[in-house]
Amino acid sequence: GENVEQHPSTLSVQEGDSAVIKCTYSDSASNYFPWYKQELGKRPQLIIDIRSNVGEKKDQRIAVTLNKTAKHFSLHITETQPEDSAVYFCAARGPGARQLTFGSGTQLTVLP
Amino acid sequence: EAGVAQSPRYKIIEKRQSVAFWCNPISGHATLYWYQQILGQGPKLLIQFQNNGVVDDSQLPKDRFSAERLKGVDSTLKIQPAKLEDSAVYLCASSLLQDNEKLFFGSGTQLSVL
Repeated sequence: GENVEQHPSTLSVQEGDSAVIKCTYSDSASNYFPWYKQELGKRPQLIIDIRSNVGEKKDQRIAVTLNKTAKHFSLHITETQPEDSAVYFCAARGPGARQLTFGSGTQLTVLP
Repeated sequence: EAGVAQSPRYKIIEKRQSVAFWCNPISGHATLYWYQQILGQGPKLLIQFQNNGVVDDSQLPKDRFSAERLKGVDSTLKIQPAKLEDSAVYLCASSLLQDNEKLFFGSGTQLSVL
């Protein structure tokens, strides 16, 4: 089955700096890659997603890049703010709309 | 728009006891998912329903876990008997389509098995 590895497990940045979280996946046929944000004690929420026919997608301060050859994708957050502090999960979906496999999460802390 | 509703929010039981969780998805969402999230890990799919039919239950420990969505709307997940390793947050999610895209999660039920 699909295996998704996520790094780093924890990340601390100064407010205003950029943060990058990377994920690798094992199934080259995976075709959909969402990112979820989970604030402490709250539900995971979708923040951005990308399909395999696109190399990059942006939404205000967040962006996701996909390298299909290397089988990795990354979340980029620019101009970080304290409210960006949360656990971020990447996920990959196999072909045929098979189930999502999640990474183990990255605890992002934005220091004021 | 009302979100995915789950109850209870917390549950503490002793091993070998049984427990049930309830989920009501977003209105109109045909697909419902139950995930298990162990502390420090990402959510792991237990079962996926499309209306009242099971789409994927390959990772559901069927000797102790069961789930149903009889009328194609709300769903219950049961564990009987519970083990210590079942301690986790049980998340319910729903989506409009069956494609595992744009999932909306509930707040989860935090289960502690003592």
